[in-house]
Amino acid sequence: DVVMTQTPVSLSVSLGGQVSISCRSSQSLVHNNGNTYLSWYLQKPGQSPQLLIYKVSNRFSGISDRFSGSGSGTDFTLKISRVEPDDLGVYYCGQGTQYPWTFGGGTKLELK
Amino acid sequence: QVQLQQSGAELVKPGSSVKMSCKASGYTFTSYYIYWIKQRPGQGLEWIGRIGPGSGDTNYNEKFKGKATFTVDKSSSTAYMQLSSLTPEDTAVYYCARSAARVMDAWGQGASVTVSS
Repeated sequence: DVVMTQTPVSLSVSLGGQVSISCRSSQSLVHNNGNTYLSWYLQKPGQSPQLLIYKVSNRFSGISDRFSGSGSGTDFTLKISRVEPDDLGVYYCGQGTQYPWTFGGGTKLELK
Repeated sequence: QVQLQQSGAELVKPGSSVKMSCKASGYTFTSYYIYWIKQRPGQGLEWIGRIGPGSGDTNYNEKFKGKATFTVDKSSSTAYMQLSSLTPEDTAVYYCARSAARVMDAWGQGASVTVSS
């Protein structure tokens, strides 16, 4: 199975600040079709996860441009700028390139 | 709008089985895979597997083979997951999610299963 490693485990941020979350995979996430199926999800307290970013850098419908994804191969980053209260929760990266799909352990974003 | 409505919380005894549902609305049910994900209390996400409502084809995480069984009822746009031989390690919230192009773009609200005698 592909192991997804997220760092840091938790982050404290001031409102309006910027944060970065790293996600590394144990194998390349480039699929045979040339696509890289790396997604980012946010799970707000008491809610289901929601899709933020898919295929490394594509924002899902309705997602603010304050969220940006980048990376390639095995190394990926989610950046959140101008952090707002509604951004708080646990962020997960997930890969859909190889079965079984796997997720990182999560990064908890909290207010400083 | 796309919605996945899951069944309610269950309290079940060790060794028993449970079957939960995921009713889809707002889109063509047979055009998207349904995925099932496990989240143990305070833990991360674990992919159980998927079913294609149109074809009925399934893929299971090896870890959950023999534990989980997926079915669908196309007439009611509902997907089901049955979990068997339950143990306390199966205590978790289980999510269904819709997937297209290898990404889960809509999730159910989750169904809590507590295994306790």
